[in-house]
Amino acid sequence: GQQLNQSPQSMFIQEGEDVSMNCTSSSIFNTWLWYKQDPGEGPVLLIALYKAGELTSNGRLTAQFGITRKDSFLNISASIPSDVGIYFCAGKRFEGFKTIFGAGTRLFVKA
Amino acid sequence: KAGVTQTPRYLIKTRGQQVTLSCSPISGHRSVSWYQQTPGQGLQFLFEYFSETQRNKGNFPGRFSGRQFSNSRSEMNVSTLELGDSALYLCASSLEAGKETQYFGPGTRLLVL
Repeated sequence: GQQLNQSPQSMFIQEGEDVSMNCTSSSIFNTWLWYKQDPGEGPVLLIALYKAGELTSNGRLTAQFGITRKDSFLNISASIPSDVGIYFCAGKRFEGFKTIFGAGTRLFVKA
Repeated sequence: KAGVTQTPRYLIKTRGQQVTLSCSPISGHRSVSWYQQTPGQGLQFLFEYFSETQRNKGNFPGRFSGRQFSNSRSEMNVSTLELGDSALYLCASSLEAGKETQYFGPGTRLLVL
């Protein structure tokens, strides 16, 4: 079945550092999504990408839809303690198809 | 506008019992999806409902079922609970079926003993 390989599994960084995480698949996706989940809460949509090569920013977050349609990455610049949480990538092949989620990247930020 | 609400937030059951979880979508949203989240398997899609009809289904056994009411509220039911059903069950709503902008609720944490 379809799988998304998300890496790294976890990251321990210092406040102020930049962060990069990515998601790859053997299948093509037409939509890539990035979510953040805080402890005890449901995931919150951060960025949605709809076109190959698209680069979208949301504050300190920047995500790109890979040219091959098989990957995406998320960058967080100048990390702060509230960036702590689990970041999930998700892909959707076609509208109406179910969303596939990566296993998540757990981010720890040391003040 | 109120967000997605799920009840109960926490639940403890024993093996063999059955459980019903409830989800109220954001007002005006007609699509509701359910996910199971576990440390080992991550977020797994259970099913999606739109206009009281199941539109998509994940790879879960028949013990997992759901339904949607005319007011878009949804319930999922798990019968004959197993230890492995312990998980966070998340509900997400969106305006229309298949749309990418899903809004998640806080989840129901189920523990099966």
